[in-house]
Amino acid sequence: GAGVSQSPSNKVTEKGKDVELRCDPISGHTALYWYRQRLGQGLEFLIYFQGNSAPDKSGLPSDRFSAERTGESVSTLTIQRTQQEDSAVYLCASSNPGREEQFFGPGTRLTVL
Amino acid sequence: LAKTTQPISMDSYEGQEVNITCSHNNIATNDYITWYQQFPSQGPRFIIQGYKTKVTNEVASLFIPADRKSSTLSLPRVSLSDTAVYYCPRLGGTDKLIFGTGTRLQVFP
Repeated sequence: GAGVSQSPSNKVTEKGKDVELRCDPISGHTALYWYRQRLGQGLEFLIYFQGNSAPDKSGLPSDRFSAERTGESVSTLTIQRTQQEDSAVYLCASSNPGREEQFFGPGTRLTVL
Repeated sequence: LAKTTQPISMDSYEGQEVNITCSHNNIATNDYITWYQQFPSQGPRFIIQGYKTKVTNEVASLFIPADRKSSTLSLPRVSLSDTAVYYCPRLGGTDKLIFGTGTRLQVFP
């Protein structure tokens, strides 16, 4: 079956522009996560969606970052007024609740010039 | 929330067994221990999980002592394709994973 997909795979933008990153989770997975990975670093949790519950936004680094999820399907991570320090790979993962295994997408590499 | 602790890097040669240990000093009673593998330009991939004692699958073995304050990922007879970063993330509440920088394993021919 299809895994987690993300688009675009690469995004180059200019400082100050807004960007939208998309994640399509595995069908039937109710939990969806966004992580950020800077070059040579570990993964940094950003936000977590679980069904119709209020999302856990505790990892969002600033109010320039926001995310939405439509039901139990697609999620969009939006970064407004991008800064050079936002340059990183943004990873999405999905899972079924109660199971420890998270399935990751290939990521979106964001470069802010 | 404390992250797990593991060595930054390890080197090995093809055919050897590699053991990577992670400390879980603040692990919660109900938390499972999971390990992920990440190749360059890819997202992490789940490889094994356990609660206590020993778990084995087609990829690796996982050893967890009775106090569960550490775990050891064992890769038998590594090959060049096992060169990757290995993570032992901990759960940070609401099922989010708290990753450290992982252990960068380099396998040489």
